[in-house]
Amino acid sequence: AQSVAQPEDQVNVAEGNPLTVKCTYSVSGNPYLFWYVQYPNRGLQFLLKYITGDNLVKGSYGFEAEFNKSQTSFHLKKPSALVSDSALYFCAVRDRDDKIIFGKGTRLHILP
Amino acid sequence: ETGVTQTPRHLVMGMTNKKSLKCEQHLGHNAMYWYKQSAKKPLELMFVYSLEERVENNSVPSRFSPECPNSSHLFLHLHTLQPEDSALYLCASSQDWDRGQVDTQYFGPGTRLTVL
Repeated sequence: AQSVAQPEDQVNVAEGNPLTVKCTYSVSGNPYLFWYVQYPNRGLQFLLKYITGDNLVKGSYGFEAEFNKSQTSFHLKKPSALVSDSALYFCAVRDRDDKIIFGKGTRLHILP
Repeated sequence: ETGVTQTPRHLVMGMTNKKSLKCEQHLGHNAMYWYKQSAKKPLELMFVYSLEERVENNSVPSRFSPECPNSSHLFLHLHTLQPEDSALYLCASSQDWDRGQVDTQYFGPGTRLTVL
């Protein structure tokens, strides 16, 4: 079955430290991968996407993600966390049948 | 502002009520989407419209009825809902929904629905 997994419900990181939010996927064919962020009382905002090419994708607000085909992962990273990065993060995948599947989300807390 | 607006932002309704959620996008996009976001569950894609035609319906109960009168507006008509339908309903749009295209979706702020 096709799926997207975000294994952590919550991630806590101290301000200034590097952060990682994990995402793994299971889809047929080559996936198109996305990260979205949701701030309180707001809709989802696009952060970045991987279609093809360089495995390291850079996105908005200093975030980046690395596509790893052998590990079927697309972890979101940032070298130095800000308190304002605290939000709910969603990984999503669109497979070759154009099905869009979202993970359940990971709540990121950046501690001052 | 993302360019996608939703009204109302909050809605409380009884199980016998009929209500509608409205979504409007100001981005000139051709595809629009309805999603359901429940606590601790993955975001669920409900419906997809491309050029005002429904292209995807993910086994959604008939008490949810979408309508897309033009490419800028999308409605979700609600009738005889259940308490478990309480959730955040998100609307999104993207430039196109052609197979092989991979478009970024732009989301509205959502309507927080509570069914009593």
